[in-house]
Amino acid sequence: AQSVSQHNHHVILSEAASLELGCNYSYGGTVNLFWYVQYPGQHLQLLLKYFSGDPLVKGIKGFEAEFIKSKFSFNLRKPSVQWSDTAEYFCAVYLSGGYNKLIFGAGTRLAVHP
Amino acid sequence: DGGITQSPKYLFRKEGQNVTLSCEQNLNHDAMYWYRQDPGQGLRLIYYSQIVNDFQKGDIAEGYSVSREKKESFPLTVTSAQKNPTAFYLCASSEGQRNSPLHFGNGTRLTVT
Repeated sequence: AQSVSQHNHHVILSEAASLELGCNYSYGGTVNLFWYVQYPGQHLQLLLKYFSGDPLVKGIKGFEAEFIKSKFSFNLRKPSVQWSDTAEYFCAVYLSGGYNKLIFGAGTRLAVHP
Repeated sequence: DGGITQSPKYLFRKEGQNVTLSCEQNLNHDAMYWYRQDPGQGLRLIYYSQIVNDFQKGDIAEGYSVSREKKESFPLTVTSAQKNPTAFYLCASSEGQRNSPLHFGNGTRLTVT
């Protein structure tokens, strides 16, 4: 079955540390890839997405993600985190080829300490 | 302002009762989705609809039902057959293309006792 795996459920960092959150998916067809973020008390919002072209995509607030097709991965990165990045991050994959649905990973809860 | 409205924010029901969660959007989006969010499990897809009068089961459709009689509305009924209904339910919509991001509502927290 198709699935999305996020390797870290909880990550704790100090401000200015670098961040990388892993995301892998299991599906051999065409995909579109997304990262969503949920700040405390707020609803989910789009951080960035990959559709086609350059596999390194840049999103809001200094986040970026790299699509590595051979590894079925779409890891999220930020060179220097801030306290305001404290949130839960969800990787999502849109499955084409007749499925036409968006499935999510379990999420990674990030806590950034000043 | 355009957006997605879910109501109510909190809902309490007795076991054995069906309950319907409302989801309305004024974004003119074709596609609508229902997800269930549980701690440590992320968002799991219950049902989705790409166009009016059509919908498909997601990964955890058992014990749920939906309708899509109007483009703007996609209500979700949690039936008494759902074994573990207490959860946070999120409705979302998109333009329907595969690269279209989802717009989420604020969610409904359902507690069944």
